[in-house]
Amino acid sequence: EDQVTQSPEALRLQEGESSSLNCSYTVSGLRGLFWYRQDPGKGPEFLFTLYSAGEEKEKERLKATLTKKESFLHITAPKPEDSATYLCAVQAARTSGSRLTFGEGTQLTVNP
Amino acid sequence: EAGVTQFPSHSVIEKGQTVTLRCDPISGHDNLYWYRRVMGKEIKFLLHFVKESKQDESGMPNNRFLAERTGGTYSTLKVQPAELEDSGVYFCASSKRTPGPSGYTFGSGTRLTVV
Repeated sequence: EDQVTQSPEALRLQEGESSSLNCSYTVSGLRGLFWYRQDPGKGPEFLFTLYSAGEEKEKERLKATLTKKESFLHITAPKPEDSATYLCAVQAARTSGSRLTFGEGTQLTVNP
Repeated sequence: EAGVTQFPSHSVIEKGQTVTLRCDPISGHDNLYWYRRVMGKEIKFLLHFVKESKQDESGMPNNRFLAERTGGTYSTLKVQPAELEDSGVYFCASSKRTPGPSGYTFGSGTRLTVV
């Protein structure tokens, strides 16, 4: 069974204080690993897709990396508007459709 | 482009009643998904439509849940009769391709509370 574990559950940072979020996964054949951002009362918003170990993607202050067992979301010099819940999800190669298995998320708060 | 629209945004019903949730995907998106987040748990897959056909419904919890997609456009998810454990946020998502390299586009969800 596919599993995704995210840590920490919650993280408080000061504005400008860089840090990383972790996503550990177990999947039988990874088709893709997804990062989403979710704001209160909204649906998840797509950030990145990573397909193979060693791959990296960047967007503004966010950078996602992937190994064979985990993914990191690095946040450089965060701003208060980066406060949100960050979700990691995997898609297994064996699935006929494209269902995602999600982790519980990391709730990030950036204080000014 | 309009996003994925879900309504109602909130619904409070009594145990044993019926509730129908609706999702309007992005125009042209053949793939439509339903997911659910129960309090304190992760978002979990319910089912996947390709046009009007159910591609994968392995995540549906039991036969009290019925999903339909009329003419490959909007979709409804009916819960009948509702139980307390059905409370949670129900998300709909859509994509043009499967698997979607840009991920899915999610709606804002319907918060269902069964009392």
